[in-house]
Amino acid sequence: AQTVTQSQPEMSVQEAETVTLSCTYDTSESDYYLFWYKQPPSRQMILVIRQEAYKQQNATENRFSVNFQKAAKSFSLKISDSQLGDAAMYFCAYAGTSYGKLTFGQGTILTVHP
Amino acid sequence: SAVISQKPSRDICQRGTSLTIQCQVDSQVTMMFWYRQQPGQSLTLIATANQGSEATYESGFVIDKFPISRPNLTFSTLTVSNMSPEDSSIYLCSVFGLGEKLFFGSGTQLSVL
Repeated sequence: AQTVTQSQPEMSVQEAETVTLSCTYDTSESDYYLFWYKQPPSRQMILVIRQEAYKQQNATENRFSVNFQKAAKSFSLKISDSQLGDAAMYFCAYAGTSYGKLTFGQGTILTVHP
Repeated sequence: SAVISQKPSRDICQRGTSLTIQCQVDSQVTMMFWYRQQPGQSLTLIATANQGSEATYESGFVIDKFPISRPNLTFSTLTVSNMSPEDSSIYLCSVFGLGEKLFFGSGTQLSVL
């Protein structure tokens, strides 16, 4: 079974600074997808970024980028120029061949200080 | 992105009763997924709902407790039956949208007294 581990229960960053959230996963599958979701207090799950395992290039979405290390099974999220609105719970998630069936990490609470 | 409407947004229920949660999508989708998020926890998949067939449940979840209906390609319901305080959670539906991205409804906050 696949597992996803987020070792940082909480992180904090100053506004306009950069922060990196860590995620590791375990799988025996060769084709899979990795995601970062953001969950603000409204509880809405918002897709931040997606990475296909077969792509060597790291995904980027504006201020959000990932460092995908397939051999190390590592998938970290970097948030640049942090904004107050980035404060939320962030979940790393894995989807394998049964795409849509996500396995989530435990989450990292991100606090952004003005 | 897919627009997903989930109802109710929150409810407070008595022990032993049942609650049906509705999920409406603005486009036809093959599969819909139901997740549970217990307080302070991550999300766990309950079941996958396919139109025209019985839902597929994950380990630890059974149809008698969480019956699911999928009458068409845009709608699904999840019922939480014979509720106990341990069922207090956020329940979310999700579907694939454009670009093979998985989108979530706004969730149903359930509290069982």
